[in-house]
Amino acid sequence: KQEVTQIPAALSVPEGENLVLNCSFTDSAIYNLQWFRQDPGKGLTSLLLIQSSQREQTSGRLNASLDKSSGRSTLYIAASQPGDSATYLCAVRPLPGGGNKLTFGTGTQLKVEL
Amino acid sequence: EAQVTQNPRYLITVTGKKLTVTCSQNMNHEYMSWYRQDPGLGLRQIYYSMNVEVTDKGDVPEGYKVSRKEKRNFPLILESPSPNQTSLYFCASSLGPHGGIYEQYFGPGTRLTVT
Repeated sequence: KQEVTQIPAALSVPEGENLVLNCSFTDSAIYNLQWFRQDPGKGLTSLLLIQSSQREQTSGRLNASLDKSSGRSTLYIAASQPGDSATYLCAVRPLPGGGNKLTFGTGTQLKVEL
Repeated sequence: EAQVTQNPRYLITVTGKKLTVTCSQNMNHEYMSWYRQDPGLGLRQIYYSMNVEVTDKGDVPEGYKVSRKEKRNFPLILESPSPNQTSLYFCASSLGPHGGIYEQYFGPGTRLTVT
C-alpha cells in the first residue's frame, strides 16, 4: 500500500529565504506526482505536476524535483514571501490500472514571517 | 472558466438526516473522486468514478454512496449521517486515459458538521 510522508510537518522561515519541502513515497510505481497548496479552510490549488518520466518542473519561484527510484520529491521555493504561507501537500497517482486515486501526504504547514 | 463546483459549502445537520453534497465539473472530465480531509489523517479517497455509470470504492467508503448518471455530476450521498462523518469534503476531477497527464482539479470543499 502506498504511503506518502512529508517532513517537516511545520516550518517557519523569515521572508526572503529559500526553502525546501520534502515528500517521500514507498511505492515507486507511480504515474505522476502533484504538489498542491491549501490555504486555511480552502480548497487545493495545483502548483506543479511531474510525470514519472520527468526529473523536475518549474513555475515561477517554484521548482519541484522527482527521484522516482528513491521515492522522493522536493518542492523548492525561492525568495519566500508572506503570501506563500499555506499548507503544501504532495500526492502520487498510481500507474494506469491502479485505480483513480491520489495518495496524499499529510502536508507541511509553512509560515513565512515578515 | 474551467472549474469544479460543490454545494453546499457549509452544512450543519443532525444524526440520521439524509443529505446530498453535489459536485459538478465543466471540463468534460471522465474521472471524478470524493475525498475527505481530517486533521492528522490527511486526504483520503471515499469513492471514485472513471466514467458514467462506473463507480468504485476508495479507502473509506463506509457510510457513503455515490452515483454518476451524467458525466459532469458526481453527487455524494450520506443516507444516515453520523458524527464521525464530520469532516471537510472535496470533489476532484481529471481527464481519463485519453487525457494524458491526469492532473487533478479540486473543488472548494464542503465543511460538514453532524451533531
